[in-house]
Amino acid sequence: DQQVKQNSPSLSVQEGRISILNCDYTNSMFDYFLWYKKYPAEGPTFLISISSIKDKNEDGRFTVFLNKSAKHLSLHIVPSQPGDSAVYFCAASVANSGYALNFGKGTSLLVTP
Amino acid sequence: GAVVSQHPSRVICKSGTSVKIECRSLDFQATTMFWYRQFPKQSLMLMATSNEGSKATYEQGVEKDKFLINHASLTLSTLTVTSAHPEDSSFYICSARDQVRGLSEAFFGQGTRLTVV
Repeated sequence: DQQVKQNSPSLSVQEGRISILNCDYTNSMFDYFLWYKKYPAEGPTFLISISSIKDKNEDGRFTVFLNKSAKHLSLHIVPSQPGDSAVYFCAASVANSGYALNFGKGTSLLVTP
Repeated sequence: GAVVSQHPSRVICKSGTSVKIECRSLDFQATTMFWYRQFPKQSLMLMATSNEGSKATYEQGVEKDKFLINHASLTLSTLTVTSAHPEDSSFYICSARDQVRGLSEAFFGQGTRLTVV
């Protein structure tokens, strides 16, 4: 049962534009959300996170928005760069479960020059 | 940032043999480490939670006798795939949190591509 869903398997964006990656979750117990970037045959690299007590967290070109009522979060990358091309995974956890992560299936982002 | 090292990055083994994968936290101590598995074009699925000094906690459907986990120190967890079969071929990834510094994000190893022939 997939508790974290990324319904767009792929996304193509022009360099300089905004990339918006979406993620939905079903478990209302999740209280911590993370985005990871992954290249083939490598482990995920942490990008940005957000606690359920916030609705926005910003770090440079990356901003994560959380809508708890809709059980939805999104990652905005602006401006997008060709080096951002990778698979992006949304993950969620429950703090008192030891922070084991539940991952979505990922969205493959391609940023074209 | 915190570094997690996983070894080997790639291994090919014969069916019926066992393979050990190591996961080390290089600059922090981790009482808990996590083992994930990823099939092609699928998400990372949690297999088990490795607890230092005690037994691992396995997710439903994961055979504990097949996937042996040992977490003997605060910086090392190992996953041994016993009597490997071709269907065990997958990408295995470990992760750990820097609990001393209270960081909530998990850091991942480089992953191990296991191919069983």
